[in-house]
Amino acid sequence: ETGVTQSPTHLIKTRGQQVTLRCSSQSGHNTVSWYQQALGQGPQFIFQYYREEENGRGNFPPRFSGLQFPNYSSELNVNALELDDSALYLCASSTDRDSPGEQYFGPGTRLTVT
Amino acid sequence: RKEVEQDPGPFNVPEGATVAFNCTYSNSASQSFFWYRQDCRKEPKLLMSVYSSGNEDGRFTAQLNRASQYISLLIRDSKLSDSATYLCVVENAGNMLTFGGGTRLMVKP
Repeated sequence: ETGVTQSPTHLIKTRGQQVTLRCSSQSGHNTVSWYQQALGQGPQFIFQYYREEENGRGNFPPRFSGLQFPNYSSELNVNALELDDSALYLCASSTDRDSPGEQYFGPGTRLTVT
Repeated sequence: RKEVEQDPGPFNVPEGATVAFNCTYSNSASQSFFWYRQDCRKEPKLLMSVYSSGNEDGRFTAQLNRASQYISLLIRDSKLSDSATYLCVVENAGNMLTFGGGTRLMVKP
């Protein structure tokens, strides 16, 4: 186990709704990254937070937003859900002292948009 | 063209076989390289980093060719437990990781 937890594990939403996904980082990790993984594909980088500030963003529209809290837990918010948002959402925590590739993933939240 | 490309497979091999996966990346400024493993319905886990000099970890050997922008993973003496999807990962500026689509390996008895 990595020590990274995510909630909920599964979620079903309707097109146009909003969703908040949560991530609790491994103890001592000050960096969290969020990824979207569609079925049969590799994870795609959404954004990264470091010490509560956005530290990089992938090719996702502004309706994908995030927060990182002082305890380094994190949220991913998606507004105006679309059918194509159906995917596994993964968060990964790391420290600024580790190699950037050494990220520890949570089990993910599987989002279905109908 | 995808930034990181992999053959999706599946590679079906018998136990004990040697199998090699390849990956190409398009950004010549990419800085670091990794292989992750993802079991079915599980999260990805770091398998190993990849260095220009090549590196080995038990039955696993990773190689990087910067000139050709090519990364490889060799698995010797395959075990049933090696069955998984192997993700090629590239780190670009800003600590962004870009994942390939993954190569699925199935090791059969």
